[in-house]
Amino acid sequence: GAVVSQHPSRVICKSGTSVKIECRSLDFQATTMFWYRQFPKQSLMLMATSNEGSKATYEQGVEKDKFLINHASLTLSTLTVTSAHPEDSSFYICSAREDRGQPQHFGDGTRLSIL
Amino acid sequence: SQKIEQNSEALNIQEGKTATLTCNYTNYSPAYLQWYRQDPGRGPVFLLLIRENEKEKRKERLKVTFDTTLKQSLFHITASQPADSATYLCALDLTGGGNKLTFGTGTQLKVEL
Repeated sequence: GAVVSQHPSRVICKSGTSVKIECRSLDFQATTMFWYRQFPKQSLMLMATSNEGSKATYEQGVEKDKFLINHASLTLSTLTVTSAHPEDSSFYICSAREDRGQPQHFGDGTRLSIL
Repeated sequence: SQKIEQNSEALNIQEGKTATLTCNYTNYSPAYLQWYRQDPGRGPVFLLLIRENEKEKRKERLKVTFDTTLKQSLFHITASQPADSATYLCALDLTGGGNKLTFGTGTQLKVEL
């Protein structure tokens, strides 16, 4: 149980392109989903917290107009990297959680490479 | 400032031995602490959650301890196998709201034959 599916797994695109990443909880309802960014050999850095039906809460330093998050249902959240540039290249990972105090279940990440 | 510290150096052990990983935190008393495993190029996988009123928790070959006085958690893998080789992350809620986790930098474990 507790499977989170993240797509696509890898994206390579030109600078200026907008990229959408989907995160789905397959067998449970996620009241909260999280989006992380991870650089090589570093830990996960939380970008934003997303609750179904409400606006995402962004961490300090994360541009909300750059990283658009939509959490339209209890099983789906999307992250759109708008007008991506090479510095946005990274490993983006989503997670989903049923309730506060419960473990987070992670997708397998999206490797984004902007040329 | 609040922070989480894990052994930054990789831990190499022989197959069959017990691996012990450390997670120390400062300036906060979390209600619970979690351990995750992460393989290269993959998302983390949840392993164990231990609450502040629990001293120890076990799951198969895994054992976690939580010392709120020392502000430390130890993660043990007994009878380690090469398949246990991965990066292990501890995570805790530093804000008190029970809403989000802060992850340590992780310790890379390598189990050798």
